Amino acid sequence: EAQVTQNPRYLITVTGKKLTVTCSQNMNHEYMSWYRQDPGLGLRQIYYSMNVEVTDKGDVPEGYKVSRKEKRNFPLILESPSPNQTSLYFCASSLRSLHEQYFGPGTRLTVT
Amino acid sequence: GQSLEQPSEVTAVEGAIVQINCTYQTSGFYGLSWYQQHDGGAPTFLSYNGLDGLEETGRFSSFLSRSDSYGYLLLQELQMKDSASYFCAVKATSNTGKLIFGQGTTLQVKP
Repeated sequence: EAQVTQNPRYLITVTGKKLTVTCSQNMNHEYMSWYRQDPGLGLRQIYYSMNVEVTDKGDVPEGYKVSRKEKRNFPLILESPSPNQTSLYFCASSLRSLHEQYFGPGTRLTVT
Repeated sequence: GQSLEQPSEVTAVEGAIVQINCTYQTSGFYGLSWYQQHDGGAPTFLSYNGLDGLEETGRFSSFLSRSDSYGYLLLQELQMKDSASYFCAVKATSNTGKLIFGQGTTLQVKP
């Protein structure tokens, strides 16, 4: 089944404790992206990757890191999480058209 | 800055037609897309407009007017399951992977 998977789905952590949210797609998509969703703010792009080893900042990259060492995986790293990073995070991928993106199920992160 | 404007809420009755508008102010324009998101779920792709005009996919249609920086999503024969949030998204640059989303419109379908 074609899908984007994210892990963990739920995470409660404390300020400053490094964490990684994994994202994997099995559709051989070149493009991958991370978004955060907060009430009233819609989806805001954190980072994206046009292909392996090619990553770039979205609109809200501060406090986040990403890497794209293989085509299928695009992990999101929070080196020192803070409470303002409490949010719902989505990973997405697409083949050619940036517009037809497939989203993962989301990761709900709480930083206390 | 770059922004997309959508109504925050729309209410309609089952079987009716509803239109959700999206007005954009961006530095460039390379296509408008629409996504649906049910409560607690992941966004799913609905439709894409790269050129002016109407695109139809079953009960859903999407329209674009680049001269007016405006598009809309039209939902016909509304069903209860159409109750969800709807987001428009614009690609504002040609050679990057940046995508800008609107804040979303919550559609409530009533019996």
